[in-house]
Amino acid sequence: QQQVKQSPQSLIVQKGGISIINCAYENTAFDYFPWYQQFPGKGPALLIAIRPDVSEKKEGRFTISFNKSAKQFSLHIMDSQPGDSATYFCAPSTGGGNKLTFGTGTQLKVEL
Amino acid sequence: GAVVSQHPSRVICKSGTSVKIECRSLDFQATTMFWYRQFPKQSLMLMATSNEGSKATYEQGVEKDKFLINHASLTLSTLTVTSAHPEDSSFYICSAREGSGRSPLHFGNGTRLTVT
Repeated sequence: QQQVKQSPQSLIVQKGGISIINCAYENTAFDYFPWYQQFPGKGPALLIAIRPDVSEKKEGRFTISFNKSAKQFSLHIMDSQPGDSATYFCAPSTGGGNKLTFGTGTQLKVEL
Repeated sequence: GAVVSQHPSRVICKSGTSVKIECRSLDFQATTMFWYRQFPKQSLMLMATSNEGSKATYEQGVEKDKFLINHASLTLSTLTVTSAHPEDSSFYICSAREGSGRSPLHFGNGTRLTVT
């Protein structure tokens, strides 16, 4: 049973555009909602994370929007750059971030 | 920042042999480390939770006798793939937490295992 689903599976955005990736989950016990960025052949790196007591968090060009009632959260990348081309995973967890449940992944390509 | 190092980054072994992968926290102590497996173009699947000084906790469906985990110190966990078969070929990634509670998880750069 896949508890965490991302959409879209892949995304192509023009340089300077906005990339939006969505994550839907089923487990209402999740209390930590991070997004990870992974380049080919590398381990994932934490990009940004949010706790359920806030609905939005912004760090530079990256924003998380959280909708608790809909059991969804999304990643917005403003002014997308070719260097943002990577695979993005949401990975919600219980226990404040211990056991992460990785989503299905979204492959982002930013074109010039 | 906190760094997690994995070694080797790539390994090729013959079917039936065993392979050991090391995961080290370079500048912090980690009482808990996690081991993941990732097949090409797929998500990361948690294999086991490695606890310093005690037995690892394996996820459902992961063979504990095949994937041996040893967390002998606060900075080192090892994953040994025993009697490897071609279907064990995958990208193995470890992660570690600096401190406890709500501190973030740091991931290693993974080990690409190819079993021929």
